[in-house]
Amino acid sequence: SQKIEQNSEALNIQEGKTATLTCNYTNYSPAYLQWYRQDPGRGPVFLLLIRENEKEKRKERLKVTFDTTLKQSLFHITASQPADSATYLCAPGGDSNYQLIWGAGTKLIIKP
Amino acid sequence: GAGVSQSPSNKVTEKGKDVELRCDPISGHTALYWYRQSLGQGLEFLIYFQGNSAPDKSGLPSDRFSAERTGGSVSTLTIQRTQQEDSAVYLCASSLGPAGDYEQYFGPGTRLTVT
Repeated sequence: SQKIEQNSEALNIQEGKTATLTCNYTNYSPAYLQWYRQDPGRGPVFLLLIRENEKEKRKERLKVTFDTTLKQSLFHITASQPADSATYLCAPGGDSNYQLIWGAGTKLIIKP
Repeated sequence: GAGVSQSPSNKVTEKGKDVELRCDPISGHTALYWYRQSLGQGLEFLIYFQGNSAPDKSGLPSDRFSAERTGGSVSTLTIQRTQQEDSAVYLCASSLGPAGDYEQYFGPGTRLTVT
């Protein structure tokens, strides 16, 4: 069955450094992948969408890569700030064109 | 403009009771999703509505769960004869279209606790 893996342990990063989060998927090949941010007690907020024919996508301090050979997406935040502290969810597309398969998320903590 | 709203924000119910959770999507969004999120778990897909098409109910965990969307707008998720394992945060999201092209906008969720 389709499986999404994100680092279950919290990632602690010093302010100003680049944070890199990993999303691995197995047993299928999604055509696209979305990344979301979730703060405690709130619903997820969309960050980026990347398609299988795109190797890299950027938005301000955010960068996402999509390696269909490694079956992996990397999510980078450059010049990290304490306000970037949150849980980041990876969601590759499912079998249908409307479904997302959600990872459990990685908690990112940016220390001043 | 207004985002996705959900009510109630918290619901505590006794085992065996029925509950109704409400979602008001963003106006004009034809797609509506219900998810369930348990602590430390990824979002679990429950049901998907798209316009006037038949909903995809494949994620509903049992026949105690049902959902409807009236007039292509407001949606209600109903859980009958609640069990303790139903305790979770129930999230609603709306979108302009399929996930391959459009982002999902989420409500704040309803935290359901079954005692």
